[in-house]
Amino acid sequence: DSGVTQTPKHLITATGQRVTLRCSPRSGDLSVYWYQQSLDQGLQFLIQYYNGEERAKGNILERFSAQQFPDLHSELNLSSLELGDSALYFCASSVGGGRDEQYFGPGTRLTVT
Amino acid sequence: DQQVKQNSPSLSVQEGRISILNCDYTNSMFDYFLWYKKYPAEGPTFLISISSIKDKNEDGRFTVFLNKSAKHLSLHIVPSQPGDSAVYFCAVRQGGSEKLVFGKGTKLTVNP
Repeated sequence: DSGVTQTPKHLITATGQRVTLRCSPRSGDLSVYWYQQSLDQGLQFLIQYYNGEERAKGNILERFSAQQFPDLHSELNLSSLELGDSALYFCASSVGGGRDEQYFGPGTRLTVT
Repeated sequence: DQQVKQNSPSLSVQEGRISILNCDYTNSMFDYFLWYKKYPAEGPTFLISISSIKDKNEDGRFTVFLNKSAKHLSLHIVPSQPGDSAVYFCAVRQGGSEKLVFGKGTKLTVNP
């Protein structure tokens, strides 16, 4: 158990809908990262927050947004969902940033029908 | 275009033998390299890392080798155990960047 929790574990929704994925980092970790793993793909970095502020951005679609709250949990919002958004979404946390080791949660499997 | 390539989607070895997983990268600015292991229904877990100032790092049965001139790194597992059966991801980081760039993974199966 990495100490990072993600809810829900599974999510099935229809095209055009909006969903929110939630992540609670390990106790004491200030950084949260979001990754997307599509079928047969490696993990693609989406975005990082550090202590409530956006720190780094990857190939995150404009339909996607994230935030980190004062209690350091984070939410990833996916809107106007398309079939291609079906993927595993992982959250990771680290103490700070830079070369701090990232601890991954178990992921949320999103299926868009 | 993929910056990190793991050209073998799968690898099968016998228990007790050596497992060698390979990873190639394209950008010479990457200066920190990691291996993650992933079991089904779990998130990736950190295994071992190496900085670009080194060419080898060892941790128990796991050794990572870095060949900067070839832009190639490999993970050696000796001896392999059935519990090592998992998907192994290579990841790289560029100096000053927060993000990790992952390969697509290699599924290792260690047969008893």
